[in-house]
Amino acid sequence: QKEVEQNSGPLSVPEGAIASLNCTYSDRVSQSFFWYRQYSGKSPELIMSIYSNGDKEDGRFTAQLNKASQYVSLLIRDSQPSDSATYLCAGGAYSGAGSYQLTFGKGTKLSVIP
Amino acid sequence: EAGVTQFPSHSVIEKGQTVTLRCDPISGHDNLYWYRRVMGKEIKFLLHFVKESKQDESGMPNNRFLAERTGGTYSTLKVQPAELEDSGVYFCASSQERRTEAFFGQGTRLTVV
Repeated sequence: QKEVEQNSGPLSVPEGAIASLNCTYSDRVSQSFFWYRQYSGKSPELIMSIYSNGDKEDGRFTAQLNKASQYVSLLIRDSQPSDSATYLCAGGAYSGAGSYQLTFGKGTKLSVIP
Repeated sequence: EAGVTQFPSHSVIEKGQTVTLRCDPISGHDNLYWYRRVMGKEIKFLLHFVKESKQDESGMPNNRFLAERTGGTYSTLKVQPAELEDSGVYFCASSQERRTEAFFGQGTRLTVV
């Protein structure tokens, strides 16, 4: 059974600090990982995708993937109050029917305190 | 470019009634997915269309759920008859052919009372 685990939080960080969001997964089938940001009542917004071991940086966001440890993280530098949202970690893999599907964690709620 | 659009945003129906949810994917996206989040749980896969064909419907809970994508454009998800445990947020997502990055709609919050 595929599982993606996230600490539900809430995670509170002061404005300007680094927010670190973590995710572990329990199987070796997932080939790639995605971070979505979801504001209350809004659509999950794709903010980062990572397909290979190592770090991937995009602006203030850095995604890290360690397949040997089955660990994915998202770092947000210079956190802003507008970053306050729920962050969803998802692993992507093809099913036996050839369908690319996402397996989500429950999400971590981040609060950036001004 | 318009994103994934879902209608309605909220629906409250009585047990035993029928509800139809609609999803308009991003124009040109061949892949269309339905996912569902039940309260307190994670978002879970329901089914996947490639154009008008069902690629995988292994996540559909039971035969009370029927999804269609006539013409390969918008999709509908019908629940008939609705049960209390069908309450949740139903998300639609779409992606381009052979691309893995999926873009989500805002969801339809379904409440069955």
